[in-house]
Amino acid sequence: ETGVTQTPRHLVMGMTNKKSLKCEQHLGHNAMYWYKQSAKKPLELMFVYNFKEQTENNSVPSRFSPECPNSSHLFLHLHTLQPEDSALYLCASSQSSLNNQPQHFGDGTRLSIL
Amino acid sequence: DQQVKQNSPSLSVQEGRISILNCDYTNSMFDYFLWYKKYPAEGPTFLISISSIKDKNEDGRFTVFLNKSAKHLSLHIVPSQPGDSAVYFCAASGNGGSNYKLTFGKGTLLTVNP
Repeated sequence: ETGVTQTPRHLVMGMTNKKSLKCEQHLGHNAMYWYKQSAKKPLELMFVYNFKEQTENNSVPSRFSPECPNSSHLFLHLHTLQPEDSALYLCASSQSSLNNQPQHFGDGTRLSIL
Repeated sequence: DQQVKQNSPSLSVQEGRISILNCDYTNSMFDYFLWYKKYPAEGPTFLISISSIKDKNEDGRFTVFLNKSAKHLSLHIVPSQPGDSAVYFCAASGNGGSNYKLTFGKGTLLTVNP
C-alpha cells in the first residue's frame, strides 16, 4: 500500500474543461512533486514544493496550476489543456527537496484529453 | 539531451538466473543514484540507492554498482524471480539547490520467465 494517494486514477476531459488532480501523502514528508510521464519518454519533473513553498517550476505551461495548502496535500489544477497533455501524472513526496532522499510515488492519474 | 540513459528497452531472463540492468549518465554533477521498479497501473517504487562515495550497495537480492569514471551504474538481481518482472527506472541527482531534482531514464522492461 502506497503512502502517497492520488485521485482520480483516471480522468477524461475536453479541452475547455477545468479539473483538478489531488495528491495526499501520509509519510510525514515535507516535499511534494508533480511529474508527467508521456509514452516513450522519461518522467519529467513539473513542480516541486518544499514546506508548502514552490521551489521549482520546470517551464510548465500556465494551463497547469499547482497548489500546496499544506505539506500533506498537493493539487494540480487543469484548464484548457491540449491533446498532447494526455499522459500519466505522478505525485511524489520526500523528506525534503533540499537533500538526496528517495522520493515515494503515488499510483498516478491517467489523463486523457479529448 | 538525455542525461540518464537506459539503452536496453527490454530484458528477458530465466527464473533463478541473474538480471543485470544498465544505466549511463552524462552529467558529472550527479552524485546520488536510485533505482525504481514500476508495475503496470502502479507508481514507481523505490528499490535501492547509492551515493557517489561508494561503488557498491547491496540490499538482499538487489545490488547496485557504480563506476564513476565510466559514468555507469548497474542493478543486479540475483536470483531473479517472476515477481521481479516490471519496468526498472534509473534516476540520478546532484547536490545543492535545484540539482537535487531527480532525472530519470526511460526505463527497461524486465521479464523473468518461470
